[in-house]
Formats: sequence, structure tokens, C-alpha cells
Amino acid sequence: AQSVTQLGSHVSVSEGALVLLRCNYSSSVPPYLFWYVQYPNQGLQLLLKYTSAATLVKGINGFEAEFKKSETSFHLTKPSAHMSDAAEYFCAVGHRGSTLGRLYFGRGTQLTVWP
Amino acid sequence: DAMVIQNPRYQVTQFGKPVTLSCSQTLNHNVMYWYQQKSSQAPKLLFHYYDKDFNNEADTPDNFQSRRPNTSFCFLDIRSPGLGDAAMYLCATSRVLDGGSYNEQFFGPGTRLTVL
Repeated sequence: AQSVTQLGSHVSVSEGALVLLRCNYSSSVPPYLFWYVQYPNQGLQLLLKYTSAATLVKGINGFEAEFKKSETSFHLTKPSAHMSDAAEYFCAVGHRGSTLGRLYFGRGTQLTVWP
Repeated sequence: DAMVIQNPRYQVTQFGKPVTLSCSQTLNHNVMYWYQQKSSQAPKLLFHYYDKDFNNEADTPDNFQSRRPNTSFCFLDIRSPGLGDAAMYLCATSRVLDGGSYNEQFFGPGTRLTVL
């Protein structure tokens, strides 16, 4: 079975500060991992994905995430927060061999950026 | 640009009045998904189509139905909306190959449903 835990439903940072959003997963098979961002009244936009290549994945808008198998984690980071980063962030896990392409989402983390 | 389109973006209906939400895609993906997302919650998968094969989640109420007349279009029908059905409804697509793929899903902008 697959599941995702996002620690912290709300994270607040100052503009220019480090952003760290935590994601831990549970998967009985090698996972695929994703981070999506959602702005108010919008759909989900893919930030980055891990699909078994490099463990450090770079995405859009300066975000990156590192897959750590030993810790079953896929935390999202950005060195310097920008006001435009304020949004809801969802971590999701899928798995290879899933003929239905099913994803399991975490509950989301709301990121607030203070000026 | 290839994309996932949802219409309308905002839908208001009355309690018990049937409503249909529309999703279309230009990505030529074989799998289409419908999610329900309530405020400050993760998207909840309602059902999906793998080509023409319909896959219903076990906990999706019978009040929710779906149709996929062709590869490009998929509809969500709510037969008798209740107040608890007010939510954002997200459509997503994916290209799933034989033996599985990396499951990346592409989302539309969503339809926000209000039930009066």
C-alpha cells in the first residue's frame, strides 16, 4: 500500500528565507514521487518529480527535492522564498507497474510568505 | 499548447438539481481522472477511465457518475447534488503505457461547484 505524510499543514517563512516542506512516504514497491503546487482556485501544477534517476531533483521556480530511500522522504526545498511562492503544496506517490497510473496525495502544506 | 480544459470554471446549482461538469484534453492521454477537493484537503479520487474502462473508487457515492464518449472528453454527472457535494472538482489525465508509466498526471484548472 502507498501513503504520504506531509508534516505541518501550515508553514510560514519570511521572504528570502529557506523553504522546507516535509514529505514522507510509504510504499511497498519502488516509488515515483511528485510535488504539485496549487494556487487559489486553480488546478495542480507539477513542480518536480522523481522517477528513479538522480536522487536530487530540480523543478520549476527554483524548487528542488531529494529522494532519500533510507528515510523514505522526499522533502521540498527552496533556498530563498519569494512572495509568489505562497500556495498549497501537495506531495504524491505512485509506483512503477501501476497500469492505472494512480497517485496517492498527502494532505497538503499551506505555505505563507511574509514580506 | 496541449492542455486539460474544464468547463465551466464555476458552477452554481440547486440542492437536488442534476449537474454535469466537463473535461476535455488535447494531450491524447489514455487515462482520465476525476477528483473532488474540499477546502484545505487533498484531492480525493472519485473514479477514472483507462481508455474506455471505468474504474470506480470503493467509497465514491452512487450519486456521482461519469461518461467518456471519446478519448478527448470526460464528464462528471452529479445526479442529486447535496450541500456536502460543494467542492472543487479536478480533472486530470495521464499517459499510462503497458507495464506502467511514471504516473505523472496533468491537471485542469478545476470547476468550483456551489450548491444552494
